[in-house]
Amino acid sequence: SAVISQKPSRDICQRGTSLTIQCQVDSQVTMMFWYRQQPGQSLTLIATANQGSEATYESGFVIDKFPISRPNLTFSTLTVSNMSPEDSSIYLCSSSIGVSSYNEQFFGPGTRLTVL
Amino acid sequence: QQQVKQSPQSLIVQKGGISIINCAYENTAFDYFPWYQQFPGKGPALLIAIRPDVSEKKEGRFTISFNKSAKQFSLHIMDSQPGDSATYFCAASRGKAAGNKLTFGGGTRVLVKP
Repeated sequence: SAVISQKPSRDICQRGTSLTIQCQVDSQVTMMFWYRQQPGQSLTLIATANQGSEATYESGFVIDKFPISRPNLTFSTLTVSNMSPEDSSIYLCSSSIGVSSYNEQFFGPGTRLTVL
Repeated sequence: QQQVKQSPQSLIVQKGGISIINCAYENTAFDYFPWYQQFPGKGPALLIAIRPDVSEKKEGRFTISFNKSAKQFSLHIMDSQPGDSATYFCAASRGKAAGNKLTFGGGTRVLVKP
């Protein structure tokens, strides 16, 4: 398994501001993912971040709102831009470990974001 | 369109009982089915996973049953303990060929009463 850490663990932000969330993996990984988990809800994939290429966004998520960086094989950031109260969620990063066709995916502890 | 449907939304079971959570999927291209356990304030933790070439997989008190023809799979928690109280998510993936993207079910909140 992989050890994944996220910073910050939680934050309270004002409407209209931006927050950058960091994700660090303890080993080199090709694929990293960002998910959103709205209060009491399931997980929804925001984007896939592969090192050396642009992030791939899922339907309903756009780069201007959720810019992602992936500068190396152990680190990624997700920025939540121009925040509104609807962005209040838990943001989770995950990474896919292994060389098989069905790589296990492990999650970080999440960043709990509250937008006032 | 919700591609993985999970039921029930919540479940209360007595200590020592069996918890059963069911999931149904629509996309026949899915070929990897993990279950995650999430405690409040924590990220989801991989519990157990199955591929369609087997009908059942058991790890300790946790068992996945898989019915490919019905496009359904379920998690059984045997001898449920209060420490099992958590939210459980089923998921499905098309594997590395599709970027290992996971599609999650809606989640089941399990409460095990002592």
